[in-house]
Amino acid sequence: EVQLVESGGDLVQPGGSLRLSCVGSGFAFRTYDLHWVRQSPGKGLEWVSGIRTGGDTHYSVSVKGRFTISRQNDNNYLSLQMKNLGPGDTAIYYCARAGASGWYAFDSWGQGTVVTVSS
Amino acid sequence: QSALTQPAAVSGSPGQSITISCSGSNSDINYKYLSWYQQHPGKAPTLIIFDVKNRPSGVSPRFSGSRSGNTASLTISGLQSEDEADYYCGSYVSSSIRWVFGGGTSLTVL
Repeated sequence: EVQLVESGGDLVQPGGSLRLSCVGSGFAFRTYDLHWVRQSPGKGLEWVSGIRTGGDTHYSVSVKGRFTISRQNDNNYLSLQMKNLGPGDTAIYYCARAGASGWYAFDSWGQGTVVTVSS
Repeated sequence: QSALTQPAAVSGSPGQSITISCSGSNSDINYKYLSWYQQHPGKAPTLIIFDVKNRPSGVSPRFSGSRSGNTASLTISGLQSEDEADYYCGSYVSSSIRWVFGGGTSLTVL
């Protein structure tokens, strides 16, 4: 069974930093692109960042320069380092996989981890 | 404002069919990579349609996708109570290497 399990969400003050983690199991981790997608309270989905199998990284305009995505294939580990956080970053952050159903669709999702940015 | 536009809400009675539209304002959106996601309250989204009209293994054939020009559609036939959820379309924007989503459509099964 494919599983993605996120952790690291927390309450953080504006301007602060946080690192989110995602561990995958049940599939060949290194052969899939991986992404972070967030959902603000009561709002829709927003793509945040993605990392390809070869290590190429991509970011949304709203987080570029503040967030860093990385992966450790040997440990089936994906992370998102977030800096200079603001209230607009408050959201559930989902780890998602792409590649099983085309390379541009997110075919498996974690349960999400909650990030709250507030003083 | 989302790059993809969906109706905020649709409704239908059990057994009926409904269609949710998804249209883009950005000419760079790769509509051939349009996907649909279902999200029940408090749960993570799940993929139900990818590349406009393809269903992942295990997804009910009651869900179908189509596209005409810059508008994609999700049709749910034979509505069931468990179909009540939020539905999001999403697509890849090749020119800027990013993904975008619609604002979501809340489906109510009357």
